Amino acid sequence: KAGVTQTPRYLIKTRGQQVTLSCSPISGHRSVSWYQQTPGQGLQFLFEYFSETQRNKGNFPGRFSGRQFSNSRSEMNVSTLELGDSALYLCASSSDRDNEQFFGPGTRLTVL
Amino acid sequence: DQQVKQNSPSLSVQEGRISILNCDYTNSMFDYFLWYKKYPAEGPTFLISISSIKDKNEDGRFTVFLNKSAKHLSLHIVPSQPGDSAVYFCAAMYNAGNMLTFGGGTRLMVKP
Repeated sequence: KAGVTQTPRYLIKTRGQQVTLSCSPISGHRSVSWYQQTPGQGLQFLFEYFSETQRNKGNFPGRFSGRQFSNSRSEMNVSTLELGDSALYLCASSSDRDNEQFFGPGTRLTVL
Repeated sequence: DQQVKQNSPSLSVQEGRISILNCDYTNSMFDYFLWYKKYPAEGPTFLISISSIKDKNEDGRFTVFLNKSAKHLSLHIVPSQPGDSAVYFCAAMYNAGNMLTFGGGTRLMVKP
């Protein structure tokens, strides 16, 4: 079974721009969660999508948004980028039966 | 407030010996706990998990112990191998939600 894939792997943007990141979950997994990892704040939960609906949301501003498609693929969008948005963005998927979340390799976003 | 804490930022162990990584949590609503291993610029890799109805779970060289009254869990790696050198994160979740709360991580170095 293929693992979680994320594209692109690396991205450089400038302040004020917006960015869209993509995640394809493990086949059969309907839950997709997004996390942000920074040196200062560690790994923090952004949001979770299940069957095209946002099911959980972390404590991030409205500039961070996401969506999920009918094939369970998910995208997250960050608008009006700030320097502090530079981070590793991780996507994880899980099945309906298990609590374990399996992570993709991440997208490294650098905001200049 | 940090609901999940890993108080040791780093740990150094000789190859073949036991590695013990510790994690404390404050939220008594957490009922499922996971350990992940992470290399730089990669996504976390799931290692082992434990439900709050158990106090021990084993998988090969990895054993997780849960002490609910102390709100403490630990990961034991026996025997430790140089390939185990990585950052280890503990994470907790409520069964009702799919949101992981991570500790700050412990860097394990296994010396040959």
